[in-house]
Order: sequence, then C-alpha cells, then structure tokens
Amino acid sequence: KAGVTQTPRYLIKTRGQQVTLSCSPISGHRSVSWYQQTPGQGLQFLFEYFSETQRNKGNFPGRFSGRQFSNSRSEMNVSTLELGDSALYLCASSQQGNPYNEQFFGPGTRLTVL
Amino acid sequence: SQQGEEDPQALSIQEGENATMNCSYKTSINNLQWYRQNSGRGLVHLILIRSNEREKHSGRLRVTLDTSKKSSSLLITASRAADTASYFCATDPNSGYALNFGKGTSLLVTP
Repeated sequence: KAGVTQTPRYLIKTRGQQVTLSCSPISGHRSVSWYQQTPGQGLQFLFEYFSETQRNKGNFPGRFSGRQFSNSRSEMNVSTLELGDSALYLCASSQQGNPYNEQFFGPGTRLTVL
Repeated sequence: SQQGEEDPQALSIQEGENATMNCSYKTSINNLQWYRQNSGRGLVHLILIRSNEREKHSGRLRVTLDTSKKSSSLLITASRAADTASYFCATDPNSGYALNFGKGTSLLVTP
C-alpha cells in the first residue's frame, strides 16, 4: 500500500496570506489527524477527522481549520498567516483513530512564513 | 498540549551500546506509543504498549510501562548509526482521538 502523502512538501508564504495543505491517507484508513511541529512547542495536535466529521480539536485559534472528504482525503487551511505559523505540518492516518491504532505519518509540509 | 516528557533531551553513544530513553506523563492513558523521526521528516511508529501491558519487545526494542509511576522507557539494544534520530513518546489520553507528544530525545549513535 502507498503511504500517507502530503502536498506540497515545501511552501513559502508571506504574512497575511492563507494556505491550504493536503493529505491523502493510506487506502482504507478513515481517520486523519493533523499536527504542527515547531522547535519551541514540539508536536502539537491540531484536529482529527473520521468519516468527514471532526472528532477532536486541539488548542489552536480559529485561523486553523480543516475538512475531510468522502474519500478520506483531508485538507487543512490556515488563514491570515503569522510568522509563528512557520512549522512542519504533519498528517497521520489510521484505520479508526486512537486509542485503537498506531498512526502512520506522512513526510510533512514545511511551511515558511516571511 | 504536551503530556509526555522524555528524558534525556539528548543522548550520544557509540555503535553497539544500548540506548535508554524515558518518558513521563501526567494523566491516565489507553496506550503509549514510541515514534522515531529522522531529521525533519515524518514520524515512524516503533511500538505501542497498552495500559494493561508492562513490557513489550520488537526486534532490538524493549518498552516498559509503569502506570503507577506514569512512566515508560524505551531501550534500543546494540545500537547502530542508522538509529540516529529523535525519539518521541506519545500518550493517548482516555479522551481519545489525539496523541500528546513529548519534546523528544535526540539520539546520536557514532560509529
């Protein structure tokens, strides 16, 4: 099976712009989670989707949003970008989502905000 | 929010030696997982230990879990240069659907 794919891999934006990141889970996986990784804060949970429904959301401002499509692919959007949004954004998929399964991570999208 | 805290933050050993990393967490969990990340890439799942398990092995990896102390340890035996990476513990609180990661242990294995 193909692994989790994320596009684009690298992205450079300027403050105030918005960005959309895409994640394609492993075939058959219905849960998709998003994480933000920064040197200062480490890995932080953004949100999780299962069958197009958001089941859990981390402590991030409303500028961060996401959605999941019927084919389980997911997108996350960040509006009004700030310098502090520069990070590696990781997507992970699993069959049912925790607490039942391990998470399979994609390679990440590295976002740089100038 | 982060719940797992790894110790030490950095570890440097030579090939063939064993590496031990510890993780402490704060609230009750369903399971605890360990992941590896090679320099700025995605995370790779290593091992999952459920809250009712005390020890688990996978190849050169040995994980222990002490729920009374809210701690876990990851032992990598006979380390190799290819084991150089950051290692994260991730806890799955009973609320589910999210993993709480620690800040990781950076392991350097020199030939």
